[in-house]
Formats: sequence, C-alpha cells, structure tokens
Amino acid sequence: ETGVTQSPTHLIKTRGQQVTLRCSSQSGHNTVSWYQQALGQGPQFIFQYYREEENGRGNFPPRFSGLQFPNYSSELNVNALELDDSALYLCASSFPLTGLNNEQFFGPGTRLTVL
Amino acid sequence: QQQVKQSPQSLIVQKGGIPIINCAYENTAFDYFPWYQQFPGKGPALLIAIRPDVSEKKEGRFTISFNKSAKQFSLHIMDSQPGDSATYFCAANRGSTLGRLYFGRGTQLTVWP
Repeated sequence: ETGVTQSPTHLIKTRGQQVTLRCSSQSGHNTVSWYQQALGQGPQFIFQYYREEENGRGNFPPRFSGLQFPNYSSELNVNALELDDSALYLCASSFPLTGLNNEQFFGPGTRLTVL
Repeated sequence: QQQVKQSPQSLIVQKGGIPIINCAYENTAFDYFPWYQQFPGKGPALLIAIRPDVSEKKEGRFTISFNKSAKQFSLHIMDSQPGDSATYFCAANRGSTLGRLYFGRGTQLTVWP
C-alpha cells in the first residue's frame, strides 16, 4: 500500500508569484484535504476535495484554489504569493464511510518559503 | 477563534515519566477526537483517537482520557522514551463534515534519557 506523497519537498518563491503543489492520495482513498501549517502552529484547514468536487473550505482567500483529478490526486494552487504564505503545506487523504468519522493520513508536506 | 485549545505549549520529562497533554473544546457537535504525533520534517501521524461515547481508550503506552461534561480530553504517555520526543497535536472533527480537522496549537515534548 502506497502512502500519501507530495511534491516538491521544498520550494522558494518571491512575492506575487504563483505556485502549484501536488499530492497523490493513498491507494483507494477518494478524498483529499489540504492544510497549511505555519511554524510553531497546528495545521489549518484550507479545503477538501471529494470525488473531484470541492467539499468544504476554511478561512482562506480565493487565491488559494485546488483541483482533484479522476485518479484522486490533487493540486493546490496559490496565486499572488504573500510573505505570510510561507508554511508547510500538508495533504491528507481519506476514504469516508457513511456515518463514521474518517481517519486522515498525512503526507510529509511541502515547505514553501516566500521571499 | 481557536476551536480546540491545547496545553502546555512545551513539556520536558525524564525517561519513564508520564507526560500529560490537555485539550479543551467548545463545539458540542464534535464527535471524533484524534491525537497526532509529528516529527521534524514529517507530516502528522495518527496516534490514537476517541469518540465521546467512551471515557478512556488505551493503545500501547498511549491513553486518551475524555470528559464529555467538561469538554476536555487528554493524552497520557506511559513509560515515556526519548523516541517519543516530538510535537503532539490534538484535534476534533464533526463526522458530517467529511473530515475537516480542527487542530490545537501543539505541544513540543522532550524526553530526556
């Protein structure tokens, strides 16, 4: 069984640029959630994709957008980068079962630095 | 607004000690409470989780105590080891939201040999 993978591992961008982060979900999982983890903080929910549709969004501006593909892999896109976007971006996959809370499996994250 | 409040921010114990990390929540709709362990440069890994219909759950050296009336839950690590040194996060979730997790700010645990 392959776990959640993310690419790239590290990324350095400058203010105003755009970035795309990628996530491959664990085998058999159809739901992907993205989280932002600032240094010394807990992960903050950005949004979730379920069967290629956005299914819930946290308190993040529209310049944070995403996609989920038919193979359930996902992309997170951030436009007009700001210094405060510097963080570890985590992807988590799950397979929700009706009536049950679903266990989320996290990838290793992408460390984004905005200069 | 922090949905889940976690304390302490950092904790140092001797090997064999029993560190205790506490979390509190306000939203009574939460019905799933996981704990995650994170090592530097890694993503969070699920340690143990509890639902509000039980007051305690034990898996190996890790125990969750849950107090529904006080809206609090805690993680106890028995016979702590230096390899347990990591950051621990509590979280909460409403099952109907298909998995949006609300995390605490984390506790950095150091276990001295």
